[in-house]
Amino acid sequence: AQRVTQPEKLLSVFKGAPVELKCNYSYSGSPELFWYVQYSRQRLQLLLRHISRESIKGFTADLNKGETSFHLKKPFAQEEDSAMYYCALSTQIQGAQKLVFGQGTRLTINP
Amino acid sequence: NAGVTQTPKFQVLKTGQSMTLQCAQDMNHNSMYWYRQDPGMGLRLIYYSASEGTTDKGEVPNGYNVSRLNKREFSLRLESAAPSQTSVYFCASSPGAGYTFGSGTRLTVV
Repeated sequence: AQRVTQPEKLLSVFKGAPVELKCNYSYSGSPELFWYVQYSRQRLQLLLRHISRESIKGFTADLNKGETSFHLKKPFAQEEDSAMYYCALSTQIQGAQKLVFGQGTRLTINP
Repeated sequence: NAGVTQTPKFQVLKTGQSMTLQCAQDMNHNSMYWYRQDPGMGLRLIYYSASEGTTDKGEVPNGYNVSRLNKREFSLRLESAAPSQTSVYFCASSPGAGYTFGSGTRLTVV
């Protein structure tokens, strides 16, 4: 079965410090992974997709198939990074792309 | 472009009442989805529609029904609301890779 685990419900760091949000997955096939971000009372937005290997808002994430992880990193946190972050695993089912989400990590950046 | 539009934004229901959450997308996406978001549980898939005319159950379908009215619209119906259905509901659409989410409906069942 597909599963995504985000072990930290809450993460608090100081502005300027490095940030790492952990994500581990369980999937027997070739995984396609995403990070979504939800700012306060807003809709979820796509932050990163592992296939694109882009850096968005200073965030990067590398897929490690050996450790089945897709951790999100940023070298210097900013206050505007405070938000809820969800890791998600994509699976194809009957012509649709189904996303399985982790439980989410609430990131708070302290001034 | 509006993207994915959900109505209403907020709703309070009494136990046993029924209601329909509306979702429409203007991006010509084939697939549409309904998720619920609960603290500590992330987002869980209720129902999805791979294409116009098809619907399938997701992870937590009990107590819900859906209708894919046309390619643009995908509605979620609660026939007899229960307090356990208090949640934030998100609709999403996808062309096949990556979702676009609506702004959500915050539903409280008392």
